[in-house]
Amino acid sequence: SQQGEEDPQALSIQEGENATMNCSYKTSINNLQWYRQNSGRGLVHLILIRSNEREKHSGRLRVTLDTSKKSSSLLITASRAADTASYFCAAYSGGYNKLIFGAGTRLAVHP
Amino acid sequence: ETGVTQSPTHLIKTRGQQVTLRCSSQSGHNTVSWYQQALGQGPQFIFQYYREEENGRGNFPPRFSGLQFPNYSSELNVNALELDDSALYLCASSWDRGTDTQYFGPGTRLTVL
Repeated sequence: SQQGEEDPQALSIQEGENATMNCSYKTSINNLQWYRQNSGRGLVHLILIRSNEREKHSGRLRVTLDTSKKSSSLLITASRAADTASYFCAAYSGGYNKLIFGAGTRLAVHP
Repeated sequence: ETGVTQSPTHLIKTRGQQVTLRCSSQSGHNTVSWYQQALGQGPQFIFQYYREEENGRGNFPPRFSGLQFPNYSSELNVNALELDDSALYLCASSWDRGTDTQYFGPGTRLTVL
């Protein structure tokens, strides 16, 4: 079962443009996280937003969380070719450390 | 770099064989989780170990088993390999079963022929 579902599945933009990815989830959460994965390698944690937060920034990343709509968005501003990767949202399910991931958004940034 | 390492990087096995994958946690972390990621999919939770005890399991059959050692390194064992077991296997370490960030290793790519 998936906790998060990302939208769109794939996104292709030019360098310098902004990229927005959306995530919807099903159950109540303590926090929601975004991860990046390059070419089928390990996941890199980008940002965590807690359920009592509405917006969070980290460098060129901006994450929003709307718990009433069970949705989150990740904005990457001024994208670079190095941002080309798959991006996953993830949230915890159950009483322990079980992270549930969506299927991801594949972002391609063209020079 | 997260400090989490996995070995081997790649592995090719045949159907019916058994495989052991290894993970070394980030220093100070006592919890390790294993995930299976099929091509084009998000990671799927297999199980978690906390202080050498299984602390939760996903929807995987018993032929997927694990161990965590006193130094908090971990193994994932898969018996009677099936073609559908071909995937990237990721381990992630964290502190004390908390619901914060998990730190992922680079993964082991398993191919079952």
